[in-house]
Order: sequence, then C-alpha cells, then structure tokens
Amino acid sequence: EAQVTQNPRYLITVTGKKLTVTCSQNMNHEYMSWYRQDPGLGLRQIYYSMNVEVTDKGDVPEGYKVSRKEKRNFPLILESPSPNQTSLYFCASKKQGYEQYFGPGTRLTVT
Amino acid sequence: GQNIDQPTEMTATEGAIVQINCTYQTSGFNGLFWYQQHAGEAPTFLSYNVLDGLEEKGRFSSFLSRSKGYSYLLLKELQMKDSASYLCAVASGGGFKTIFGAGTRLFVKA
Repeated sequence: EAQVTQNPRYLITVTGKKLTVTCSQNMNHEYMSWYRQDPGLGLRQIYYSMNVEVTDKGDVPEGYKVSRKEKRNFPLILESPSPNQTSLYFCASKKQGYEQYFGPGTRLTVT
Repeated sequence: GQNIDQPTEMTATEGAIVQINCTYQTSGFNGLFWYQQHAGEAPTFLSYNVLDGLEEKGRFSSFLSRSKGYSYLLLKELQMKDSASYLCAVASGGGFKTIFGAGTRLFVKA
C-alpha cells in the first residue's frame, strides 16, 4: 500500500530534550516536506526536500533541522524543543507537479 | 506579503450545494490545490487547478481565475460525511513551496 508513515504519533517531552520525528514514504517520491498545523493558522511549511541531500527552508524553519540521506526518509529534528513548538506535525511527499500525500500526523507537546 | 483567505466556517444542508471561496496573493504561482481534512486526520487531495477554468471530479468541482487570484470549491449533493475542513493551498517556487489557507470548516446538517 502506498503510504507515508510517521513516528511517533504522539509525543510529550520537556523543554530542551532533543527529539526526532521520523518520516518514510514508499512511493519513490523525490519531493518531501514537513508542516506544522496550529489552530487558526492552518498548515505552515517548515522544510522541504527536492531530492536526496537537497533541502530548503519553508516559512517557519526556526528551531528545526532536517536531513535527506535516503530518498524514502526525511526526519525532522528538534535540537532543543520549546513550548511554542507544541503542535501537530505532518510529513508529506509527492511527485513534482502533483498532489501531496500526507502522513498521519505527530502530535507533539513540549512542557 | 503572501496570503490565502477562505471563510472560517460554513454550514449547509444534506443534499444541497455549497461553494467555498478562496482568494490568494502569492509571489509566484504553480497551481492551486484543494484538500479535505477530517478532524484528527491527515489532509487528502481533492482537486488541482493550474489553468483558468473549471475542473470537475464527481461531486466536486474547482474553479480558478489567476487574474483575480480567486478559486472556489463546489460540493454538490452534500452528504453528512462531507463535514470536514477544506484547505486551499497555492504552490509556488517551482512547485516546491506550498502555502495553505487556514481552512474552512464545513458542517453538513440533516
């Protein structure tokens, strides 16, 4: 089944404790992206990757890092999480010029 | 600046037709997408417009006017399961960047 998977689905952590949210897709898509979704603000793009080893900032990259060492994986790294990074995170992938396929989401709470 | 506006909430009756509007101002344009998102779930693709005009897919249609920075999503023969948020999104930067509107929550009542 074609899909985007994310782990963990739910995470509660404390300020400053480094964490990684994994994202994997099995559709051989070159493009992957991370979004955060907050009430009233909609989805905002954090980082995207056009291909292996090629990444770029979206609209809200501060406090996040990404890497793209393999085509199928695009982890999101929070080196020192803060409470304002409490949010619902979605990973997505697509073929260029087509619609995005979203993962199930990761609900992160930073206390 | 870049901005996408759509109504926050709409209510419609089962079996009726509803039109959800979206206006946008972006620094580039590589297409406009509509996604559906049920509460607690991931967005799923509904439609894509890159040229002016109407695209029809079953009960859903989407219209685009690039000169006016305007799109709408038309849902016909509404069903209870259509109660969801509808997200308008514009691709730019060669299609690599995507800006989403805040979404329109549609309530379908019996």
